[in-house]
Amino acid sequence: SQQGEEDPQALSIQEGENATMNCSYKTSINNLQWYRQNSGRGLVHLILIRSNEREKHSGRLRVTLDTSKKSSSLLITASRAADTASYFCATDAGAQKLVFGQGTRLTINP
Amino acid sequence: KAGVTQTPRYLIKTRGQQVTLSCSPISGHRSVSWYQQTPGQGLQFLFEYFSETQRNKGNFPGRFSGRQFSNSRSEMNVSTLELGDSALYLCASSDGWNTEAFFGQGTRLTVV
Repeated sequence: SQQGEEDPQALSIQEGENATMNCSYKTSINNLQWYRQNSGRGLVHLILIRSNEREKHSGRLRVTLDTSKKSSSLLITASRAADTASYFCATDAGAQKLVFGQGTRLTINP
Repeated sequence: KAGVTQTPRYLIKTRGQQVTLSCSPISGHRSVSWYQQTPGQGLQFLFEYFSETQRNKGNFPGRFSGRQFSNSRSEMNVSTLELGDSALYLCASSDGWNTEAFFGQGTRLTVV
């Protein structure tokens, strides 16, 4: 079963614009992780945010976590064609496993 | 450090056969977990191993099994393959509680 729900399911923007993806989940978590996947290949780890953190940055990525609303967002600034991919959030609620959302398909148009 | 390595990258098998997939975690990582990704069901947890012990198992039939060796390398086996087992199988490794899980490139299994 999927704990996370991602919104939107698909997003198409122009190169240089910012892209925002949202993730909601259902149970208390230890951390939430964001991944990128290109064309059915492996998952590339982007960022981990722990339950006691509210915001983290990594390069052009900004992740927020609101545990009271059980939601997270991923912001990609100044998008590039190479950012075209599917993005997944995954929650770690203990039990030694990640529970994934269905993903957001991001397309960057030149 | 080398990343998570999965072999083989691609497999084509016939219904009824069995298959073994391999995963070598990042050096020093003792936790290895497996996931199945399909267009219909998305990413689903199969099982997790730590120090050769299975600590958790997902909701998959008994045809799916795995093991972990003393060097932390892991294998998963699927017996009596069905068409619905066609999927991308992903392995992840991590070095402890509440830390990042890093994934390999996956094994694309096609059952015909």
